[in-house]
Amino acid sequence: AQTVTQSQPEMSVQEAETVTLSCTYDTSESDYYLFWYKQPPSRQMILVIRQEAYKQQNATENRFSVNFQKAAKSFSLKISDSQLGDAAMYFCAYRSSGNTPLVFGKGTRLSVIA
Amino acid sequence: EPEVTQTPSHQVTQMGQEVILRCVPISNHLYFYWYRQILGQKVEFLVSFYNNEISEKSEIFDDQFSVERPDGSNFTLKIRSTKLEDSAMYFCASRRLTGGATDTQYFGPGTRLTVL
Repeated sequence: AQTVTQSQPEMSVQEAETVTLSCTYDTSESDYYLFWYKQPPSRQMILVIRQEAYKQQNATENRFSVNFQKAAKSFSLKISDSQLGDAAMYFCAYRSSGNTPLVFGKGTRLSVIA
Repeated sequence: EPEVTQTPSHQVTQMGQEVILRCVPISNHLYFYWYRQILGQKVEFLVSFYNNEISEKSEIFDDQFSVERPDGSNFTLKIRSTKLEDSAMYFCASRRLTGGATDTQYFGPGTRLTVL
């Protein structure tokens, strides 16, 4: 079974600075998808960014980018120019190809310091 | 932008009572999911549903749980006899049906279930 590990339970960053959240996963599959979801205090799950394993190019979405290292099974999230609204729990998630559910990590709580 | 909606936002119930959590998926989505998040823990998959039947379920989804799509818009999760340990946030998600990464699961805002 696939597993997702987020080794940083909590992180903090100064406003306007850059922070990187770590995620590693374990799978024997070659075709899969990776996601970062944000969960603010309202507890809604909001998609931040996604990456297809077959793509070598790292995904970017405005201030959010990933560092996808397929051989190392690593999928870190970089948040640039951090804003107070970025404070939230961040979950890394894995999905196999096909109609399969998401497997989530335990999350990293990000605090942004003004 | 279309959204997944869930009702109620918060449900309080007594142990042993039945609860029904409701979800309205995005209208052109065909695959539906329920996930659960116990406070302070990770999000866990419960069940997926496609073409009016369960596609996959986890070991959490035992005989106390059931899902159905009673009409063309709603997707419900029923817990027959709630236990204290069922207290959690329940998320509904939906997606279209192409299997690619762009075929993302979109989550509703969640229902917080409290069992007393």
